[in-house]
Amino acid sequence: EPEVTQTPSHQVTQMGQEVILRCVPISNHLYFYWYRQILGQKVEFLVSFYNNEISEKSEIFDDQFSVERPDGSNFTLKIRSTKLEDSAMYFCASRDRGTYEQYFGPGTRLTVT
Amino acid sequence: RKEVEQDPGPFNVPEGATVAFNCTYSNSASQSFFWYRQDCRKEPKLLMSVYSSGNEDGRFTAQLNRASQYISLLIRDSKLSDSATYLCVVKLGSRDDKIIFGKGTRLHILP
Repeated sequence: EPEVTQTPSHQVTQMGQEVILRCVPISNHLYFYWYRQILGQKVEFLVSFYNNEISEKSEIFDDQFSVERPDGSNFTLKIRSTKLEDSAMYFCASRDRGTYEQYFGPGTRLTVT
Repeated sequence: RKEVEQDPGPFNVPEGATVAFNCTYSNSASQSFFWYRQDCRKEPKLLMSVYSSGNEDGRFTAQLNRASQYISLLIRDSKLSDSATYLCVVKLGSRDDKIIFGKGTRLHILP
């Protein structure tokens, strides 16, 4: 069964450093998303991406964040200058046209020290 | 009022019992509804979409009440493997692509 994959599974970085989180969505899906989940809290929407552009973003997704689809398979989330409060689990998700059901990757645990 | 509200639990239920969760949502323009399950430190996994007519998938039944703005999930003949956090998820209108998660209801199935 096709699935969303994410790398790395765990990333430790120092405050102020840039990180890039990588995702490979399900191959025929056209809509891509990033979410985050701070430990003990709910899953929060960050950004949605379709047709090579951002379709929607939340207040959390400020100028420190960017997304890119550099090739036909990868979808990345970049945080330019990480803060302690960026420590969270980051999930990538994708969906196909014609359905709103989103499928999630296993997540990247980001720890900012 | 929170966008999606759930009783956090935990629900401690003996194996084989039936358990039901409710969820309420605040935006009457919400269009699509889902139940996901999340195991500890894992990703949310889609359990089922919720349709206006109600739908069933094996031991799981989901209902939607648009007038009262709530969604329910019923689990029959619960198994130990059903222990997880159940997330109520709502998508707003057609112009919105994001989905909104509730905080989840924790379920422990007791042997």
